[in-house]
Amino acid sequence: QVQLQESGPGLVKPSETLSLTCTVSGGSVSSGGYYWSWIRQPPGKGLEWIGYIFYSGSTNYNPSLKSRVTISVDTSKNQFSLKLSSVTAADTAVYYCARGLMTTVLNPLDYWGQGTLVTVSS
Amino acid sequence: DIVMTQSPDSLAVSLGERATINCKSSQSVLYISNNKNYLGWYQQKPGQPPKLLIYWASTRESGVPDRFSGSGSGTDFTLTISSLQAEDVAVYYCQQYYSTPYTFGQGTKLEIK
Repeated sequence: QVQLQESGPGLVKPSETLSLTCTVSGGSVSSGGYYWSWIRQPPGKGLEWIGYIFYSGSTNYNPSLKSRVTISVDTSKNQFSLKLSSVTAADTAVYYCARGLMTTVLNPLDYWGQGTLVTVSS
Repeated sequence: DIVMTQSPDSLAVSLGERATINCKSSQSVLYISNNKNYLGWYQQKPGQPPKLLIYWASTRESGVPDRFSGSGSGTDFTLTISSLQAEDVAVYYCQQYYSTPYTFGQGTKLEIK
């Protein structure tokens, strides 16, 4: 059974960079059959897709965040990471990492981490 | 971006009764070459991550009870719970994965009447 676990600071100051890591167990980020995503959810609100990465390092980001987002993968640690720069209070959210199956097309996200709340405040 | 609009925003249904949630996309999410609708449904309970229920608009994820069903094509989709159980209280989201940025509906909160 695949498990994903987010980790990182729960409090980030405005204008700084939010950094989160997702550790994968029960599966490998090096597997060519999957893609790895980040999604966020502001408190009491809906879901926003941030972006995804393949094990090769190829990425796809939400244009609304593209200038501030970097997703990377570390196959040696079986992890993938999110960096979001120049954060403001609007970036306060629960951040989820998730996995999607890749066949001939990208399937929806079938395994999710429990999520981690990141608050942007001075 | 493809805008996903769900209706209603909230819904109260009696136990054992049918619950129906609608989702409309601002453009078709049907890929003609493989005749698949790139539409999924998720269930989110308080304090938990979303759980995938339905993909390709009508395929149930493994382990999902058969009281959950999805239908529709093109731009109009429906999630139906045939006989509401207490454990189905949650917020339900539709999501298109036809094109990036992948987008979600605003959510429908389902409660017991």
